[in-house]
Amino acid sequence: EDKVVQSPLSLVVHEGDTVTLNCSYEVTNFRSLLWYKQEKKAPTFLFMLTSSGIEKKSGRLSSILDKKELSSILNITATQTGDSAIYLCAVFNFGNEKLTFGTGTRLTIIP
Amino acid sequence: SQTIHQWPATLVQPVGSPLSLECTVEGTSNPNLYWYRQAAGRGLQLLFYSVGIGQISSEVPQNLSASRPQDRQFILSSKKLLLSDSGFYLCAFTSGGASYNEQFFGPGTRLTVL
Repeated sequence: EDKVVQSPLSLVVHEGDTVTLNCSYEVTNFRSLLWYKQEKKAPTFLFMLTSSGIEKKSGRLSSILDKKELSSILNITATQTGDSAIYLCAVFNFGNEKLTFGTGTRLTIIP
Repeated sequence: SQTIHQWPATLVQPVGSPLSLECTVEGTSNPNLYWYRQAAGRGLQLLFYSVGIGQISSEVPQNLSASRPQDRQFILSSKKLLLSDSGFYLCAFTSGGASYNEQFFGPGTRLTVL
């Protein structure tokens, strides 16, 4: 059974700090790893990673995949209160065509 | 542009009552469609997915069912709700039938069963 573990479960930091969120996975037929941000309602897509070592960047957010270590990190620099959310990691198994989600990291930014 | 709609946004239903949640997608054809449930403090649990009209795969045994009567319409149903059916239900799609693409989520339905 595919498995995604995210750490930490929750994180509280001050505005302006930099945070690193972790995601590790076990999947039989890895195709891609995805990051989502979930505020009050539906998750919104952040990144999809398929190749090891290639950083994807969007503003203050960046992410990288390490296929050897079966993990990914999501970095947020100069955090703002609007970054407060649950960040979800998911992996796609191309054998059964399913996306397996982790339980998420709840990030709280204190002004 | 591609959009996904879900309704209702919130629903409070008594135990034993029926359920029908609807999801529609616009701006893409032949999408893969998914129903997830998110219980409080837990991750997203895949309930059903569909790669085409009338094709439904069920992930977990439960008293819910899904149907896809049209290419861009996905319905989640129950004949008799249980307390444990409470949760946040999300519909998602991948465009063009390519299941390995990123999934986009609808706004969700928060269901409370009393």
